[in-house]
Amino acid sequence: DQQVKQNSPSLSVQEGRISILNCDYTNSMFDYFLWYKKYPAEGPTFLISISSIKDKNEDGRFTVFLNKSAKHLSLHIVPSQPGDSAVYFCAASAQGNQGGKLIFGQGTELSVKP
Amino acid sequence: EAGVTQSPTHLIKTRGQQATLRCSPISGHTSVYWYQQALGLGLQFLLWYDEGEERNRGNFPPRFSGRQFPNYSSELNVNALELEDSALYLCASSPRVGRDTQYFGPGTRLTVL
Repeated sequence: DQQVKQNSPSLSVQEGRISILNCDYTNSMFDYFLWYKKYPAEGPTFLISISSIKDKNEDGRFTVFLNKSAKHLSLHIVPSQPGDSAVYFCAASAQGNQGGKLIFGQGTELSVKP
Repeated sequence: EAGVTQSPTHLIKTRGQQATLRCSPISGHTSVYWYQQALGLGLQFLLWYDEGEERNRGNFPPRFSGRQFPNYSSELNVNALELEDSALYLCASSPRVGRDTQYFGPGTRLTVL
């Protein structure tokens, strides 16, 4: 049962344009969401997070939007840069017994072309 | 500030052997998490340790086990290795129980022949 889904395996964007990465989840108990960036053969690097009490969080070029009714979140990167090319994972966690456990999507490979 | 460190970087074992992977968390972090990323798959939660205790466990067989030491470093042990155990094993740490952002190490690439 895939509780966190990233339906686009890949995305190609021109440098300077906006990159929008999407993520859907099914578990209504999830209340904390994160985005990570990963290069091959490296560990994921934390980018930005959002709590379920918010619908938007911004950090520099990165903005995460959360739509709880649709169980959907998205990561916007503006402007996109070639160095942003990597695999992006969304992850979710829930309080209680599932605390501490992050559930990851399958990832979206972003390619930013000069 | 030093990040999460893991050793070894690469580990090659044969089927049936045991593997031991090590992780040192960021200074001040008490929680350590282990994840597996098999080829072509996303990250799967394995284990969570905090203050020396196992707090949560993913859907993996008992031959995956670990421990956390008093200095908060951690070990992941995989017994009776199978070919499908070949994967990147990632360790993460966070500053307190459960709710904070997890910061990942570079991983250990385990290959089972």
